[in-house]
Amino acid sequence: EIVMTQSPATLSVSPGERATLSCRASQSVGSNLAWYQQKPGQAPRLLIYGASTRATGIPARFSGSGSGTEFTLTISSLQSEDFAVYYCQQYNNWPLTFGQGTRLEIK
Amino acid sequence: QLQLQESGPGLVKPSETLSLTCTVSGGSISGSSYYWGWIRQPPGKGLEWIGSIYYSGSTYYNPSLKSRVTISVDTSKNQFSLKLNSVTAADTALYYCASAPWGKLTWFDPWGQGTLVTVSS
Repeated sequence: EIVMTQSPATLSVSPGERATLSCRASQSVGSNLAWYQQKPGQAPRLLIYGASTRATGIPARFSGSGSGTEFTLTISSLQSEDFAVYYCQQYNNWPLTFGQGTRLEIK
Repeated sequence: QLQLQESGPGLVKPSETLSLTCTVSGGSISGSSYYWGWIRQPPGKGLEWIGSIYYSGSTYYNPSLKSRVTISVDTSKNQFSLKLNSVTAADTALYYCASAPWGKLTWFDPWGQGTLVTVSS
């Protein structure tokens, strides 16, 4: 099983600033990496797939990068609605696995 | 626009079988490239993939749950279902169904709203 490790567990950032979230895979997943946003009481929402392709309707301030074992989700200028929990997911191998999440909170 | 909705009992007794159904609307469950998945989230914790199914009936399960899980599809009702037997308190979670739009090894989008299942006597 591929273990996905996200860091940090919690990130405190001020509105308008940039946030950088990391996701590391225990072995290479190529570019088969997705990012999701989850707000309290809501289902996860797909942000990024293919490591860097924004899903339909996702604002341009969200960007993904990386390949192999190291991935980054960057939110260029935080809006109030961006404070949430973010998960990465690999889909290169069975079983599909998720990271444990990064909580993005208002500083 | 594809929409998914989970349904089923919110309370299951230990050792019994958890049964949930996901109803798909806005599209056909037999869509050629779509797989359909179940994911769960224990309260306050992260996401765990349970398994995925194709409309033909091909299934893929998480090895950690494989001995207890069955996922099936009913194309006539545009639904797919999850059965998890011999449940314990550790199976208490929000259960989501989701669409996997690009084959079996893929991301999930969209997701249902989720349904909370509590295992308790």
